[in-house]
Amino acid sequence: SQQGEEDPQALSIQEGENATMNCSYKTSINNLQWYRQNSGRGLVHLILIRSNEREKHSGRLRVTLDTSKKSSSLLITASRAADTASYFCATDAGVDSNYKLTFGKGTLLTVNP
Amino acid sequence: DAGITQSPRHKVTETGTPVTLRCHQTENHRYMYWYRQDPGHGLRLIHYSYGVKDTDKGEVSDGYSVSRSKTEDFLLTLESATSSQTSVYFCAISESARPYEQYFGPGTRLTVT
Repeated sequence: SQQGEEDPQALSIQEGENATMNCSYKTSINNLQWYRQNSGRGLVHLILIRSNEREKHSGRLRVTLDTSKKSSSLLITASRAADTASYFCATDAGVDSNYKLTFGKGTLLTVNP
Repeated sequence: DAGITQSPRHKVTETGTPVTLRCHQTENHRYMYWYRQDPGHGLRLIHYSYGVKDTDKGEVSDGYSVSRSKTEDFLLTLESATSSQTSVYFCAISESARPYEQYFGPGTRLTVT
């Protein structure tokens, strides 16, 4: 069963705008990760946020984590056409899951030039 | 793709035939994973390995077996392919079970007719 669920399923914006994607999960986690997948390619790791962290930045990416609400958000600022991809959250429930990652179904982001 | 190759990249096979997919890594990572990706389901774990000859089942392991006789190779076998196993298969590797990120291969598109 899916642990993380991304919202929205699809998002279309103009270049230069910000894109926000959300992830909700059901059980306690050790960490939460975000991945990007370009069409026809494998997933690429973007950022990891631990359960004791609330916010993390990497370049134009900002991730927040609210463990009380069991949710995370990924913000991409000043989006570019090259950001067009599917974005997945993945949760690590730690020892309870043998440290396996559980992926959501993804958000398809389209950035229009 | 972080020193991960998958072969073949594309395969069409008939129902009832056995199929073996290969994942090869040059990173000397301990952990290796096989996922399948299907529309509406996201990424689901089939099997994983935590060392040579050490494997365990994932969420959707029925109809699949794996073997790992060397650190660098992780084989996924569909014992008797069915149309429901038509999917894109991804191999991933990880240096450690937690909390590190996973690195993905380019994927194998398998069609069972």
